[in-house]
Amino acid sequence: QQQVKQSPQSLIVQKGGISIINCAYENTAFDYFPWYQQFPGKGPALLIAIRPDVSEKKEGRFTISFNKSAKQFSLHIMDSQPGDSATYFCAARGPGAGSYQLTFGKGTKLSVIP
Amino acid sequence: EAQVTQNPRYLITVTGKKLTVTCSQNMNHEYMSWYRQDPGLGLRQIYYSMNVEVTDKGDVPEGYKVSRKEKRNFPLILESPSPNQTSLYFCASSPRTGTYNEQFFGPGTRLTVL
Repeated sequence: QQQVKQSPQSLIVQKGGISIINCAYENTAFDYFPWYQQFPGKGPALLIAIRPDVSEKKEGRFTISFNKSAKQFSLHIMDSQPGDSATYFCAARGPGAGSYQLTFGKGTKLSVIP
Repeated sequence: EAQVTQNPRYLITVTGKKLTVTCSQNMNHEYMSWYRQDPGLGLRQIYYSMNVEVTDKGDVPEGYKVSRKEKRNFPLILESPSPNQTSLYFCASSPRTGTYNEQFFGPGTRLTVL
């Protein structure tokens, strides 16, 4: 049973465009929703994260939008750059308070073309 | 430098030959975890450890063993590797304190079992 569904699997965006990656979760006991960024040959690294009591979080060109009632959240990358080309994973922490467990989506490979 | 290290980074072996992938972190983190990454399947958790001498199964533990005798080390053991364990493996660690318990990933170990 996949608890975090991520789409699309791959994404090609022109430089300067907006990249949007979507995730949906099932378990309402998840309490924290991070996005990880992975460059080829490297381990994933935390990019940005949001709590479910916040509808939006912005850090530079990266924004998470969170819809608690729909159990969906998305990553928006504004003014996408070739250096943003990477694989992005959404994740959900829990279930339950104090949990360290992360359930990951299957990943989205983003290619930003000049 | 705060980091998670894994060794070896690349390994080619044959079916049935026992192997160990080491993982070490220098951040005094309580939580450590092993994931495997396969194309189209994302990151799946193998085993995790909440602290020394405390380990538990993740989503795909079959064919793997772990131990946590010291806080900094969390080796992954494949007693009798099989070709379906060919994968990219990541170790991660996380502190107990902090709002989001960010997971820090190692650089990965690419394993091929012939």
